[in-house]
Amino acid sequence: KAGVTQTPRYLIKTRGQQVTLSCSPISGHRSVSWYQQTPGQGLQFLFEYFSETQRNKGNFPGRFSGRQFSNSRSEMNVSTLELGDSALYLCASSLEGDQETQYFGPGTRLLVL
Amino acid sequence: GENVEQHPSTLSVQEGDSAVIKCTYSDSASNYFPWYKQELGKRPQLIIDIRSNVGEKKDQRIAVTLNKTAKHFSLHITETQPEDSAVYFCAASIGGNQFYFGTGTSLTVIP
Repeated sequence: KAGVTQTPRYLIKTRGQQVTLSCSPISGHRSVSWYQQTPGQGLQFLFEYFSETQRNKGNFPGRFSGRQFSNSRSEMNVSTLELGDSALYLCASSLEGDQETQYFGPGTRLLVL
Repeated sequence: GENVEQHPSTLSVQEGDSAVIKCTYSDSASNYFPWYKQELGKRPQLIIDIRSNVGEKKDQRIAVTLNKTAKHFSLHITETQPEDSAVYFCAASIGGNQFYFGTGTSLTVIP
């Protein structure tokens, strides 16, 4: 099976803009989680989607939002970008989303200038 | 919410020696603890996990121990090899797929 894919891989934006990142999970996986990875902070949980519904949400401001489509593909949106949003954004998929192995994508590296 | 602390942040060992990475968690309801390895420029990959009904789990050179009373768990790598060099992350979950990660340990194995 193909692994988790994310697009785009790299992105440069300026403050105040918005950005949409995409994640395609492994075929058959219904749970997609999003993480922000920054040096020194590790991986911070953003949110998880299962069957098109947000099931869990981390402690991030409302500028961070997401959605999941019927084919389990997920998008993450960040509005009004700030310099501190520069990070590697990883998505991970798992079968049912109940403490199973998560398979990570390669990430989207976002730079906000 | 849950808070996971991980130590040390960097670790250097000689090839063949053992490496130990420790994590503590705050929420006693956490019951699943995976460990991920992230090589430079690559995606994190699960290497071992443990559930709260088990005290220890081994997989070849890798083992994880869990002390629920003290709320800490550790990763043990024996007979380290250069290919073990990577960043290791611990994580904790109280259910579902909401995971809280430690800040990572950069392990360097010196040949």
